[in-house]
Amino acid sequence: GENVEQHPSTLSVQEGDSAVIKCTYSDSASNYFPWYKQELGKRPQLIIDIRSNVGEKKDQRIAVTLNKTAKHFSLHITETQPEDSAVYFCAANGVDTDKLIFGTGTRLQVFP
Amino acid sequence: GAVVSQHPSWVICKSGTSVKIECRSLDFQATTMFWYRQFPKQSLMLMATSNEGSKATYEQGVEKDKFLINHASLTLSTLTVTSAHPEDSSFYICSAVGSPLSQPQHFGDGTRLSIL
Repeated sequence: GENVEQHPSTLSVQEGDSAVIKCTYSDSASNYFPWYKQELGKRPQLIIDIRSNVGEKKDQRIAVTLNKTAKHFSLHITETQPEDSAVYFCAANGVDTDKLIFGTGTRLQVFP
Repeated sequence: GAVVSQHPSWVICKSGTSVKIECRSLDFQATTMFWYRQFPKQSLMLMATSNEGSKATYEQGVEKDKFLINHASLTLSTLTVTSAHPEDSSFYICSAVGSPLSQPQHFGDGTRLSIL
C-alpha cells in the first residue's frame, strides 16, 4: 500500500537556527502534500501545502520543496522560535481520493 | 471559515459501553469526512472515509462492526465505538473536505476516549 516515510523522528535546534524535515512517498500519482503542526492533545493544524505542479512554496518563515522525480518533499523552517516546538507531520494524498497518508511525525524542540 | 466541531472532547467509560462521537462541519457542507485514530506519540492512522448518503470505506484492519460510521447529512458524521474495551482507548480525530477531490482537510479538535 501507499507509504510515507518521515525523518528525523526528533529534531532539536537552537532558537534562530533552521530546521529541515524530510519525507518520501511511494505513490507516484500523489499530487498533494500538506504539512501539519500538532501540539500536545490538540488538532493538527495545516501550516503549508504544495501541489505537484510547483516545486517550491514559501510562507514567511516556512517553505516546502517538492521533487516529484525522487518522490521527496521537505519542510524548511527558518529563524526558529520556541513556539515552533511541536510535532510536525507530512502527508500525501491517495490516488483519485481525498484521503491522506501521514508520515510518522517529527518532534521539533527549539531551545531558547 | 471551514470550521469542524467534534464532540465530546473527552470520554471516560466502562468496558463494554458503546460510545458515539460526532463530527460537524459548521460553516460548509462536507461531502467527505475522515476518521483517524492516534495513539500516544504516534501518527494519525486513517480508519475510514465517510461520504454523505453512502456506506463508509474502511481501511484494512479496521473492524466495520466495531467502529460504526454514519454520514447522514452533509454536515454531520458520527463514529460509534461499540462494546469498547481498554485497547480502544485512543485519540479519535475527524476531518472534512468541502467537495470531492478538494483539499485541504479541516480537522476537528479530537476526542480522547478512555475505557476503564
